[in-house]
Amino acid sequence: SQQGEEDPQALSIQEGENATMNCSYKTSINNLQWYRQNSGRGLVHLILIRSNEREKHSGRLRVTLDTSKKSSSLLITASRAADTASYFCATDSSSGYSTLTFGKGTMLLVSP
Amino acid sequence: EPEVTQTPSHQVTQMGQEVILRCVPISNHLYFYWYRQILGQKVEFLVSFYNNEISEKSEIFDDQFSVERPDGSNFTLKIRSTKLEDSAMYFCASSEWGFSGNTIYFGEGSWLTVV
Repeated sequence: SQQGEEDPQALSIQEGENATMNCSYKTSINNLQWYRQNSGRGLVHLILIRSNEREKHSGRLRVTLDTSKKSSSLLITASRAADTASYFCATDSSSGYSTLTFGKGTMLLVSP
Repeated sequence: EPEVTQTPSHQVTQMGQEVILRCVPISNHLYFYWYRQILGQKVEFLVSFYNNEISEKSEIFDDQFSVERPDGSNFTLKIRSTKLEDSAMYFCASSEWGFSGNTIYFGEGSWLTVV
């Protein structure tokens, strides 16, 4: 089964607007993490949300997790051009180890 | 802030050649990983490593691949005889512990192009 499928695949917004990206998964998880990847660069960890948490904030980021729907969302408020990147959700292995399974990502373009 | 460093950033190699990608994980981390991302595709898990042993590996990590911690700081991925389909970005990562819930920190990646 495929884990961590994000939608939309691409999102284009203006600076100052909010950006919402969604992630769905199929099997039970312990934790879900969001990462950002600037074009051709490394993966930057944004936030980790545990299965017993419903919402988490970090600066302009807000992540929600609905384990009953097997979905998560990442909200970036007041977006900036520097937020332009691909965003991936990653779920951990149900074995209890921290091996991650990534989705295909949402490519976010924030125009000035 | 501590970070995972990788070398080289780019490498072009002939098909059939051996390649070694190097990584320096974050110093107090005990679990190390290699992931790869073929252009335009998902990031895929290759292998995890703890206490000088492979903890988990994926189907991708076949006999052509090996990992090693040759000294107290480096962690390497060796591809014995590269194929065209090995062309990808290879990410090294590390975490303090290997159990679920630990943040995994990634390096900037090594672009490998096999020609």
